[in-house]
Amino acid sequence: AQSVAQPEDQVNVAEGNPLTVKCTYSVSGNPYLFWYVQYPNRGLQFLLKYITGDNLVKGSYGFEAEFNKSQTSFHLKKPSALVSDSALYFCAVRDIRGNTPLVFGKGTRLSVIA
Amino acid sequence: GAGVSQTPSNKVTEKGKYVELRCDPISGHTALYWYRQSLGQGPEFLIYFQGTGAADDSGLPNDRFFAVRPEGSVSTLKIQRTERGDSAVYLCASSLTIAGGRNEQFFGPGTRLTVL
Repeated sequence: AQSVAQPEDQVNVAEGNPLTVKCTYSVSGNPYLFWYVQYPNRGLQFLLKYITGDNLVKGSYGFEAEFNKSQTSFHLKKPSALVSDSALYFCAVRDIRGNTPLVFGKGTRLSVIA
Repeated sequence: GAGVSQTPSNKVTEKGKYVELRCDPISGHTALYWYRQSLGQGPEFLIYFQGTGAADDSGLPNDRFFAVRPEGSVSTLKIQRTERGDSAVYLCASSLTIAGGRNEQFFGPGTRLTVL
């Protein structure tokens, strides 16, 4: 069975500082990994994905994530946080074998303080 | 706009009533997904369609829930004999072909269902 863990319910960071939102996953085979962001009263927006190739993936709004197979992690990072980055972030995984559903973590609320 | 749309945005109903939630996917997207999101949780998979057929309905919680996509575009999620535990935000997403799952999904704004 597939699963995703986002160990932090809330992450607080000062504006201008680097941010990290953690994600670990479990799949039987190899993973496809995704990050989505959810702003209040809006749908989830796609940020980035890891499919294959380079372990460092760059996405929208200056975000990036690093796939680490040995640690089964896919942490989201940004070098310099903005107040406008404050939102709810979801990590998701699916097994590359077969058409399995996308499984989401429970989300991490990021608060960037000016 | 060319995004995924969902109607209604809010639905309040009474326990035992029947509700229909509509999703209009991005034009050209053959894959369509329904999720349910409860407060403080991530989206939980319900069902997905490839074209007109339900490719996987393993996430539907029981037989009160049903979804259709008769022409391969718009989809309707139907809930019979609603219960208070059905209260949640129902999200719809679409993507290009399933393609082994590598395509990202585009989400609608959701329908907030409240069962009194």
